[in-house]
Amino acid sequence: GAGVSQSPSNKVTEKGKDVELRCDPISGHTALYWYRQSLGQGLEFLIYFQGNSAPDKSGLPSDRFSAERTGGSVSTLTIQRTQQEDSAVYLCASSTGVTNEKLFFGSGTQLSVL
Amino acid sequence: ELKVEQNPLFLSMQEGKNYTIYCNYSTTSDRLYWYRQDPGKSLESLFVLLSNGAVKQEGRLMASLDTKARLSTLHITAAVHDLSATYFCAVDYYGGSQGNLIFGKGTKLSVKP
Repeated sequence: GAGVSQSPSNKVTEKGKDVELRCDPISGHTALYWYRQSLGQGLEFLIYFQGNSAPDKSGLPSDRFSAERTGGSVSTLTIQRTQQEDSAVYLCASSTGVTNEKLFFGSGTQLSVL
Repeated sequence: ELKVEQNPLFLSMQEGKNYTIYCNYSTTSDRLYWYRQDPGKSLESLFVLLSNGAVKQEGRLMASLDTKARLSTLHITAAVHDLSATYFCAVDYYGGSQGNLIFGKGTKLSVKP
């Protein structure tokens, strides 16, 4: 596609529910990243996928968070048993995977946990 | 732990004036990125700085990197309203995953006529 596509753009859920956020990277990009942006914490790295390598999960804040990338393309970020502190904008980015290449960000999913 | 600090966090400028945004980081890294974010929008890459002394310019923005001082600057020349946005610097944690960019808290720039 022309850019990184994320869906939904907005998600409102109740505390304790599970949510799935989707990211469709730029075609041909082998690297995919998830970040979280909130007022209090700024931009936080969550997880990074590069080709068929094991993902770098070092930024996931708890075991309620998980992500997968199917077929080296689309990625889904799942948050189980959502809490109010999970409310944030979840940003996905992709790149060619070449070292030092810039990241291309999607427009994000605004998650609100009531 | 790598920390990235930007200052100022808020900047109100008049059109036509010059100003500099500073980005300090706490541990060794030789890769630094600047991004722009418009309200309600996503991040857009501005510059990638990859070595000590690197300088890049586009339009009224110029970015530089001093890896010895662990400092990058984003200089704004003759500001115009269209530059109003939040500017983030990000550092690639040396020796870590390429994707693990540590971002500063951002500088919210407002350019007034």
